[in-house]
Amino acid sequence: SQQGEEDPQALSIQEGENATMNCSYKTSINNLQWYRQNSGRGLVHLILIRSNEREKHSGRLRVTLDTSKKSSSLLITASRAADTASYFCATELLSSGSARQLTFGSGTQLTVLP
Amino acid sequence: NAGVTQTPKFQVLKTGQSMTLQCAQDMNHNSMYWYRQDPGMGLRLIYYSASEGTTDKGEVPNGYNVSRLNKREFSLRLESAAPSQTSVYFCASKQPTPEAFFGQGTRLTVV
Repeated sequence: SQQGEEDPQALSIQEGENATMNCSYKTSINNLQWYRQNSGRGLVHLILIRSNEREKHSGRLRVTLDTSKKSSSLLITASRAADTASYFCATELLSSGSARQLTFGSGTQLTVLP
Repeated sequence: NAGVTQTPKFQVLKTGQSMTLQCAQDMNHNSMYWYRQDPGMGLRLIYYSASEGTTDKGEVPNGYNVSRLNKREFSLRLESAAPSQTSVYFCASKQPTPEAFFGQGTRLTVV
């Protein structure tokens, strides 16, 4: 089964609103990353938060991490139509040899309506 | 600055045929990964490789083999394709930084 699970599976909002996506994971991690995927394209890295951090910002993105609850959230503020995409969380497992497994959740499909 | 290049972009196979998906990266990354993406399932890890000559199984390795030919190239082989292997396949590379870089994907249909 997958390490991370996003919630909600789909989210539809109006342009200018904020979008919040959540991710839960199962085992201890080194870091948690968020990626974006436009339709039919490869994934693109957005932001990383390390296991000893609680919050991180990058532009309109805000990520939080709660290791006690094994959960993270991604907030996109002042959303734009161009933010329409699928968003995935990814976790890197702590102990799996020299090549750490990078596993992804099932994603949240965000639609921003103009 | 090509990044991660996958070939082919599209492929249709008949059940039982074999094929190799190619992946090459020019960023001098150590680790490389193969994922498959099915609707509603997100990305599932098939195989990964820490360095040239080493490979490890991921979540869904059955029906696949891989080769890490050198630091740049990581290929995925389907020996006898099945309809259940119809999917979009992504190659990724990373390290030393945690951020992974993805190819554009190979859309495979097995009929």
